[in-house]
Amino acid sequence: GAGVSQTPSNKVTEKGKYVELRCDPISGHTALYWYRQSLGQGPEFLIYFQGTGAADDSGLPNDRFFAVRPEGSVSTLKIQRTERGDSAVYLCASSIGSGGLPNTEAFFGQGTRLTVV
Amino acid sequence: AQSVTQLGSHVSVSEGALVLLRCNYSSSVPPYLFWYVQYPNQGLQLLLKYTTGATLVKGINGFEAEFKKSETSFHLTKPSAHMSDAAEYFCAVSDHNQGGKLIFGQGTELSVKP
Repeated sequence: GAGVSQTPSNKVTEKGKYVELRCDPISGHTALYWYRQSLGQGPEFLIYFQGTGAADDSGLPNDRFFAVRPEGSVSTLKIQRTERGDSAVYLCASSIGSGGLPNTEAFFGQGTRLTVV
Repeated sequence: AQSVTQLGSHVSVSEGALVLLRCNYSSSVPPYLFWYVQYPNQGLQLLLKYTTGATLVKGINGFEAEFKKSETSFHLTKPSAHMSDAAEYFCAVSDHNQGGKLIFGQGTELSVKP
């Protein structure tokens, strides 16, 4: 596709369940980022991939959160034992730059709205 | 740690009036600076960015921002607001050698009155 695609657009899950959120970056983009946006807040960094490897996972809030990008393209954010506090919009972005250099633009998907009930 | 402050969670202007959205960052070393816009039910879109060079940068839709090192600010302006400018605006910074990781402010919702 032409842009960053995130699926599903909405996800409702019960507390304690496991969820997977998918991100398809723009073709050829080597850098991929996950952010979380809570209601009324700005996006908060979670993790950054350069190729297949997680270059910076300092934003993951705890060990319930994990992300993979096995072939350097599609990424999956995985949340175990979901809690109500995990409810937020999860945003994915990609950029063409090697190492996410600032002269390359990060393109954002429309996000996945996760609701934990 | 780096932080970004946007003064005013909600700004309301009349159509045709000046738009001024404020952004300050915390670090002593100037980071790379960005403004993003988020229209309802859409993804974040880059308005403009400052990396090096001229401190007044122009972006899309008539917006511009000026980097002022002495004030650690990067305020966003537009001379004349249009109804279509109503959206959420986010200021963001990226420290050098951080792989493009963005730190966002909490956002400012802009309303434009007819």
